[in-house]
Amino acid sequence: EVQLVESGGGLVQPGRSLKLSCAASGFTFSNYYMAWVRQAPKKGLEWVATISTSGSRTYYPDSVKGRFTISRDNAKSSLYLQMNSLKSEDTATYYCARQDRGGYFDYWGQGVMVTVSS
Amino acid sequence: DIRMTQSPASLSASLGETVNIECLASEDIYSDLAWYQQKPGKSPQLLIYNANSLQNGVPSRFSGSGSGTQYSLKINSLQSEDVATYFCQQYNNYRTFGGGTKLELK
Repeated sequence: EVQLVESGGGLVQPGRSLKLSCAASGFTFSNYYMAWVRQAPKKGLEWVATISTSGSRTYYPDSVKGRFTISRDNAKSSLYLQMNSLKSEDTATYYCARQDRGGYFDYWGQGVMVTVSS
Repeated sequence: DIRMTQSPASLSASLGETVNIECLASEDIYSDLAWYQQKPGKSPQLLIYNANSLQNGVPSRFSGSGSGTQYSLKINSLQSEDVATYFCQQYNNYRTFGGGTKLELK
């Protein structure tokens, strides 16, 4: 059974940093692209980052490019999201997702809440 | 950036009814479209990919269609467990989601 378990969320002040983690199990982690998707309270979904199987290629939307960094450790079956210079608009539930080679997200974690507030 | 416009934003339907949700892309996305279901307090779940392929384990009352810039999700014989918010997502050029359609029972 595919499982994705996020951790590392919490309350952080604007301008500070936070690192999210996602522990994967139930599939060969190194064979899949992985991604982060977020959802602001009562809002829709926003893709945040994608990383290739080896980690050599990363992709971001303009809203987080230069502030967020996605990375992975295939030996540990783990995905990470380093978030710097956080803004109030980054407040959201962050989901770790497995990305099928086609580009859609076929498995999602339960999500972790990040609140950016002073 | 490709913009995805979903309609309606909310929908009320009766048990057993057929429901249609539309998704319009700002440019041709060549059927690189997925649909997700998100129940209250839960993570999204994949229903449809490649515009019309049913994900394993998803009931056959769900179906997807469309091409070019226009796509739709159809739910036949609405069940109580289908109450949820539905999102479309394009993956032709990066990834963007529609704004969502909240489906409630009448």
